[in-house]
Amino acid sequence: KAGVTQTPRYLIKTRGQQVTLSCSPISGHRSVSWYQQTPGQGLQFLFEYFSETQRNKGNFPGRFSGRQFSNSRSEMNVSTLELGDSALYLCASSLGTSGRAEETQYFGPGTRLLVL
Amino acid sequence: GESVGLHLPTLSVQEGDNSIINCAYSNSASDYFIWYKQESGKGPQFIIDIRSNMDKRQGQRVTVLLNKTVKHLSLQIAATQPGDSAVYFCAEIGGNQFYFGTGTSLTVIP
Repeated sequence: KAGVTQTPRYLIKTRGQQVTLSCSPISGHRSVSWYQQTPGQGLQFLFEYFSETQRNKGNFPGRFSGRQFSNSRSEMNVSTLELGDSALYLCASSLGTSGRAEETQYFGPGTRLLVL
Repeated sequence: GESVGLHLPTLSVQEGDNSIINCAYSNSASDYFIWYKQESGKGPQFIIDIRSNMDKRQGQRVTVLLNKTVKHLSLQIAATQPGDSAVYFCAEIGGNQFYFGTGTSLTVIP
């Protein structure tokens, strides 16, 4: 079974631009969560999608948004990029059916975003 | 151990020695804990988990210890191998929310 895939793997943008990242979960998984990873803050939860609906949300500004498609693939969008948005963006998939955070999450390799 | 500072804590061990990585968690209501391993260029990988009603759990070459009194979690790796070199971080789950530590960088010296 293929793992979680994320595209693109690397991205360079400039301040003020917007970016869209993509995540394809493991086949059969319906929950996709997004995280931002930086050296100083570690992993921080952005949001979780299940069955095309945002089920949980972290404490990030409205510039960060996401969506999920009927095939469970998910995208996240960051508008009006800031230098501090430079990070590794990870997505993780799980079955999602229990609705509990304890379900085992499988992480993708991440998209490394650099904002200049 | 875990740190919220700008610099990742580091641990260097000789191949074959045991490694101990520590994590202090903050939420006394957290009832589930996970250790992850993250190799360079890869996403985090689940290693072992433990629930708050346990104080020790063993896996293959890894042991997790939980001390709820002082809110401390540790990961012990027996007979550390070069392939164990990675960043290790803990996660606490409470109220259906994940909270992650910043991680410890483990380097195994051949």
